[in-house]
Amino acid sequence: AQSVTQPDIHITVSEGASLELRCNYSYGATPYLFWYVQSPGQGLQLLLKYFSGDTLVQGIKGFEAEFKRSQSSFNLRKPSVHWSDAAEYFCAVVRMDTGRRALTFGSGTRLQVQP
Amino acid sequence: GAGVSQSPSNKVTEKGKDVELRCDPISGHTALYWYRQSLGQGLEFLIYFQGNSAPDKSGLPSDRFSAERTGGSVSTLTIQRTQQEDSAVYLCASSEGGSSYNSPLHFGNGTRLTVT
Repeated sequence: AQSVTQPDIHITVSEGASLELRCNYSYGATPYLFWYVQSPGQGLQLLLKYFSGDTLVQGIKGFEAEFKRSQSSFNLRKPSVHWSDAAEYFCAVVRMDTGRRALTFGSGTRLQVQP
Repeated sequence: GAGVSQSPSNKVTEKGKDVELRCDPISGHTALYWYRQSLGQGLEFLIYFQGNSAPDKSGLPSDRFSAERTGGSVSTLTIQRTQQEDSAVYLCASSEGGSSYNSPLHFGNGTRLTVT
């Protein structure tokens, strides 16, 4: 079973518009959740992470994400998108139920930014 | 400082040949991971090394795949008798260790493997 799902394969937004990328996880234990970004020609970079506490977490580059247990979601948001945000975004979880410490990644959402 | 270094950056090989992919993690990082990224797919976990502990090999797709980490530093991922479905970008990442969630993963730029 897929541990983490990113329903949107590809999203296009206009520069300056708001952005929300969806991420859902599929097991009951409190997860550790992450968002990574892969810019063209660059390695993956951590945007933000959630372990516990405040369900709204702030990350780098103006991104934030909100953990909603009732919806099993950890959606990534940005109020105003810049052209440089065009990249592929990956949600990831640590599957505490399997005991595996390595991150399990979603299939990614490719973001395109129109001028 | 130097990041995670992977070599080669590109590798083209014939079906049935063996290949070795190398990863130099960030100095001092005790945790090392291998992932595979196929076109249109997410990152598929392959193997995880943490210090001197036995590696977590649960993600290796077949017995043609193996990996080792010598001296707690450099790692080599070996694919024997390559198949066309092995074509992908192989990513290595390292972290300070302890557990994957306490410190971020630092990824290399990957090795693009093409099996013809």
